[in-house]
Amino acid sequence: GDSVTQMEGPVTLSEEAFLTINCTYTATGYPSLFWYVQYPGEGLQLLLKATKADDKGSNKGFEATYRKETTSFHLEKGSVQVSDSAVYFCALLIQGAQKLVFGQGTRLTINP
Amino acid sequence: SQTIHQWPATLVQPVGSPLSLECTVEGTSNPNLYWYRQAAGRGLQLLFYSVGIGQISSEVPQNLSASRPQDRQFILSSKKLLLSDSGFYLCAWHGGGGYEQYFGPGTRLTVT
Repeated sequence: GDSVTQMEGPVTLSEEAFLTINCTYTATGYPSLFWYVQYPGEGLQLLLKATKADDKGSNKGFEATYRKETTSFHLEKGSVQVSDSAVYFCALLIQGAQKLVFGQGTRLTINP
Repeated sequence: SQTIHQWPATLVQPVGSPLSLECTVEGTSNPNLYWYRQAAGRGLQLLFYSVGIGQISSEVPQNLSASRPQDRQFILSSKKLLLSDSGFYLCAWHGGGGYEQYFGPGTRLTVT
């Protein structure tokens, strides 16, 4: 079945460090890919998305590129801030399907 | 623009008591609606989804139920709560030709 695997957390970095959170997927069709962010005590917010191979999603300094050859959608940011501390979820949606498939989430903590 | 509301924001209920959580969406019509649960420090578990009024799909057998009495209203219920029902309940919607889901602010339920 369709699935998403994220790197295990928690991840702790210092402010201004480079961030990578790995995400790989298994899908039977042609998925759209998403990163969601969840700040403490809040619901999930869509961070970025990519709907086809080689698309790059970007938002708030975060980027992720849809790599069909490696079935990956790694999240990157060049210089993290304390305010980026949150849980990040990778997800996919198969075209025509009704449900998102989520990874298990990665907790990120940025220290000043 | 579209908005999604959930209430109550927090709830503390004794074991064996009933439950009713409500979710409403504004600014769109005929959305797909979803209920998720997030246990403490864990990922997202899809509980129910609905593609239309009166149409409910259950993902996980349990003592919860869902109903969709109106196009933009989704209700999560239980007749008798268990301790294991504690968690953060998130409602989401999807529609309008987009691929992504949008989440509400969540309800934190503590069963004592």
